[in-house]
Amino acid sequence: AQTVTQSQPEMSVQEAETVTLSCTYDTSESNYYLFWYKQPPSRQMILVIRQEAYKQQNATENRFSVNFQKAAKSFSLKISDSQLGDTAMYFCALDSNYQLIWGAGTKLIIKP
Amino acid sequence: EPEVTQTPSHQVTQMGQEVILRCVPISNHLYFYWYRQILGQKVEFLVSFYNNEISEKSEIFDDQFSVERPDGSNFTLKIRSTKLEDSAMYFCASSEDRVAGNTIYFGEGSWLTVV
Repeated sequence: AQTVTQSQPEMSVQEAETVTLSCTYDTSESNYYLFWYKQPPSRQMILVIRQEAYKQQNATENRFSVNFQKAAKSFSLKISDSQLGDTAMYFCALDSNYQLIWGAGTKLIIKP
Repeated sequence: EPEVTQTPSHQVTQMGQEVILRCVPISNHLYFYWYRQILGQKVEFLVSFYNNEISEKSEIFDDQFSVERPDGSNFTLKIRSTKLEDSAMYFCASSEDRVAGNTIYFGEGSWLTVV
């Protein structure tokens, strides 16, 4: 069975700090994609960043970057220079067999 | 930027009633999806739809559920004879293609409360 685990239910940091959200997963597929989605209070799921399992280079999107450790099946999200607008639920998701398998989410609070 | 829109944003219904949740996917997208999130639980895949038929569905998507694309723009989820445990946020999503890793765009969700 494919699973995604986010072990941090909630985190809070001061504005401008760097924060890392953890995600581990399990799959028997050889190629797959991993995503981080952000869900602000507006409830819309917004794609933050994507990583293909075959690519060794960690994905980066502006202030967001991942640390993808394929052997350890770990996919953490680092947010640099955090902003108040980063306050949201963050979900890690695995794309395999044409379905997204989701983690339970981490509530991130950025404090002014 | 094009977006997936969903209506209603919130619906309260009596147990046993039928509910239709509506979605307008992004116009050039070909694949459509429904996911749900029961409060405090993980987001779960329900169904994917392509070329006017279901392409994949989960165990959750039983005979109580159906999907339809009644016209060129809308994509609906019908829940027959609603139960208390159907209370959840239902997300519609769409993607241009269904290559693994293709970006899936989500709507803002429809809160369904069954009382």
